[in-house]
Amino acid sequence: AQSVTQLDSHVSVSEGTPVLLRCNYSSSYSPSLFWYVQHPNKGLQLLLKYTSAATLVKGINGFEAEFKKSETSFHLTKPSAHMSDAAEYFCVVTGGSQGNLIFGKGTKLSVKP
Amino acid sequence: DSGVTQTPKHLITATGQRVTLRCSPRSGDLSVYWYQQSLDQGLQFLIQYYNGEERAKGNILERFSAQQFPDLHSELNLSSLELGDSALYFCASSVGSRAGGTYEQYFGPGTRLTVT
Repeated sequence: AQSVTQLDSHVSVSEGTPVLLRCNYSSSYSPSLFWYVQHPNKGLQLLLKYTSAATLVKGINGFEAEFKKSETSFHLTKPSAHMSDAAEYFCVVTGGSQGNLIFGKGTKLSVKP
Repeated sequence: DSGVTQTPKHLITATGQRVTLRCSPRSGDLSVYWYQQSLDQGLQFLIQYYNGEERAKGNILERFSAQQFPDLHSELNLSSLELGDSALYFCASSVGSRAGGTYEQYFGPGTRLTVT
């Protein structure tokens, strides 16, 4: 069965410093992986996706993630945090042949001025 | 704006009642997915429809049902509501295909259901 584990429930960084949100996955086949962001009282927005092409995936707003099969990881990074990045981030894997998504429990990112 | 619309935005109802949540997918998308987000269970997949047909089921209770209409909008029906059904319900859409596969899903703003 497919699953994802987000290793931190809460990450706090200062504005201008790097962001690292960690995610490990488990999949019985070659997975498709996504990161979504949810701002307070908003819906979910797709940040980036990995679908077995390049292992380093670039997304919107300066975020990127690297797929590492040997480590079963798909960590999300950004070189320099902005205040507007404060939100909850979800690591997601596809759960079945029809593409339904399995979400991690989320990492809340706080950005201090 | 993802292009997926959901109504209503908020819904407050009493235990034992029945409600209907509505979703309109992005133009051109044939697949609709329903998800439930609650504090204790997180985000969970409920059910998927493709071009009017049910395609996949997740952790959907028997008291819940859904359908997708010929114009591709979808409705999620929740009946015999309990306090524990209070949650944010999201609809997502994707291009999808008859054979399945992985396509980006675009989420609506959600319907917040409060059961009192």
